[in-house]
Amino acid sequence: GAGVSQSPSNKVTEKGKDVELRCDPISGHTALYWYRQRLGQGLEFLIYFQGNSAPDKSGLPSDRFSAERTGESVSTLTIQRTQQEDSAVYLCASSAYSGYEQYFGPGTRLTVT
Amino acid sequence: GQQLNQSPQSMFIQEGEDVSMNCTSSSIFNTWLWYKQDPGEGPVLLIALYKAGELTSNGRLTAQFGITRKDSFLNISASIPSDVGIYFCAGGNNFNKFYFGSGTKLNVKP
Repeated sequence: GAGVSQSPSNKVTEKGKDVELRCDPISGHTALYWYRQRLGQGLEFLIYFQGNSAPDKSGLPSDRFSAERTGESVSTLTIQRTQQEDSAVYLCASSAYSGYEQYFGPGTRLTVT
Repeated sequence: GQQLNQSPQSMFIQEGEDVSMNCTSSSIFNTWLWYKQDPGEGPVLLIALYKAGELTSNGRLTAQFGITRKDSFLNISASIPSDVGIYFCAGGNNFNKFYFGSGTKLNVKP
């Protein structure tokens, strides 16, 4: 079946602009996760959803970052007033339920100029 | 917060050699996952472990869930060039998020 998809695959934006990154999880997966990966680094947890609720937002770096999920399906990660340090690959993963094995999408590479 | 220590950070091995890497935690987990990430792609799940002491194989890969539930090991036998990549471990508990190790970068010389 279809895996996790993310769009866009690449995004170049100017400092100060807002961006929206989209994640479509595997159909039927109730849990959805967002991670950030800087070049050559590990995975930095941002937020996860169980259904449409976010029990853990502890990884969001600042109030410029927000995320929502609707219909227990698609999720959008929004970064407002982007800064150069926001440049990274943003990865989304989904699982049948939280705490179960996660499957990752290909990521969105964000470059802030 | 919980931290996972993954080692080694990087490895340079000859094709055909066996590889071993591990992950340790200060906290107990009831699930361990191992992923491989190729450049420019998302991590791919290799093996999932759900029971303390469990030993699971996937082709040339074998992973073990430590009996203390605070560690896990991944072994790759008879390495080949396409094993090159970064391997991540992750520990988690039911209805909660996963914690990821910092990765082991594997280089294989033909």
